[in-house]
Amino acid sequence: ELKVEQNPLFLSMQEGKNYTIYCNYSTTSDRLYWYRQDPGKSLESLFVLLSNGAVKQEGRLMASLDTKARLSTLHITAAVHDLSATYFCAVDTDSNYQLIWGAGTKLIIKP
Amino acid sequence: DAGITQSPRHKVTETGTPVTLRCHQTENHRYMYWYRQDPGHGLRLIHYSYGVKDTDKGEVSDGYSVSRSKTEDFLLTLESATSSQTSVYFCAISETSGPNYGYTFGSGTRLTVV
Repeated sequence: ELKVEQNPLFLSMQEGKNYTIYCNYSTTSDRLYWYRQDPGKSLESLFVLLSNGAVKQEGRLMASLDTKARLSTLHITAAVHDLSATYFCAVDTDSNYQLIWGAGTKLIIKP
Repeated sequence: DAGITQSPRHKVTETGTPVTLRCHQTENHRYMYWYRQDPGHGLRLIHYSYGVKDTDKGEVSDGYSVSRSKTEDFLLTLESATSSQTSVYFCAISETSGPNYGYTFGSGTRLTVV
């Protein structure tokens, strides 16, 4: 069974701190996506990682992909309140373009 | 902007009634998807389409049907709604090349079955 596991599922942190969200998956894939979702809103694409060793950065967020370890990380540097949201990772399978999703990490950043 | 619109945005319906949700896209994307989102489950694929009249089942297709008679419209039908189908439904398209590679989602439809 294909599985995507995120941890932690909930994270409360102070502004200015660094933290990492982990995404482990059980199938071979070299396509992984990170999305952000604000309450009651749609999903916003953050990063598309398409190969082993891919690293992408946008502002205080940086994502990486290790296909051999089947692991992606989303690192938050010097967190600010505006980054409070739920973050999802999703893995693209080779089967009919189906995405398998993690359960999401709810991130709360306190001033 | 992938130009995806979903309608309605919110709907309350009674158990046993049929419900149709609509997804409309304006950029001629071949692939379209319907997902549902429930707390603790992330998103789960219901059905997807790879062209006009070409559809296939996803992970949680029981109780749902779809139709795609035009490239721009992908309809999701609950033939006889049940309370377990209370959820938020998202439509998505996918780009397989170019700067917008990946999946783009509509705004969602919040469906409540009472």
